[in-house]
Amino acid sequence: DQQVKQNSPSLSVQEGRISILNCDYTNSMFDYFLWYKKYPAEGPTFLISISSIKDKNEDGRFTVFLNKSAKHLSLHIVPSQPGDSAVYFCAAWDSGNTPLVFGKGTRLSVIA
Amino acid sequence: SQTIHQWPATLVQPVGSPLSLECTVEGTSNPNLYWYRQAAGRGLQLLFYSVGIGQISSEVPQNLSASRPQDRQFILSSKKLLLSDSGFYLCAWSGVKKGKSLYGYTFGSGTRLTVV
Repeated sequence: DQQVKQNSPSLSVQEGRISILNCDYTNSMFDYFLWYKKYPAEGPTFLISISSIKDKNEDGRFTVFLNKSAKHLSLHIVPSQPGDSAVYFCAAWDSGNTPLVFGKGTRLSVIA
Repeated sequence: SQTIHQWPATLVQPVGSPLSLECTVEGTSNPNLYWYRQAAGRGLQLLFYSVGIGQISSEVPQNLSASRPQDRQFILSSKKLLLSDSGFYLCAWSGVKKGKSLYGYTFGSGTRLTVV
């Protein structure tokens, strides 16, 4: 049973526009969420995170929104750049400190 | 600074052959270590994790095993590879033993394993 779901396998966005990547989770014990970015043949790298006590965290062009009641989070990239083309993984941690649980990823393509 | 090394970068192995992938971490001590696999079209699946030497937790019953013979060394093995073992294998570490690292895990560069 998937506890972290990224229902869109891929997303195409024009350069300069907003990219919105979505993530849903089922485990109400999750209290910390992270987004990772992965280029082909490389390991994922940390992008941005949010604690469950917040509903928004911003870092430059990247903003993560958390809606706890809906068990939903989203990553906004504004403006999108060709270098943002990568696979984005949503990950979640529960309060019991078990290992990170990852979604299946969304492949973002930013078209110039 | 801490670094994580994973090798080899690519590997092509015949079905039934053994496997050994190695991961080492530098610049830290007593890290938590993890092996993940990304199969084609699938997400990051946790295979094993270790909180200390000789301590291995298995998440998914499978054809693979893991060992941690030294504090900063994590090895993924198989006695006989299956076609379904093909994938991208990632090693990761975390320096936080209790609680959470704000940045989650740090991943190695991965090993692309193709079983033929």
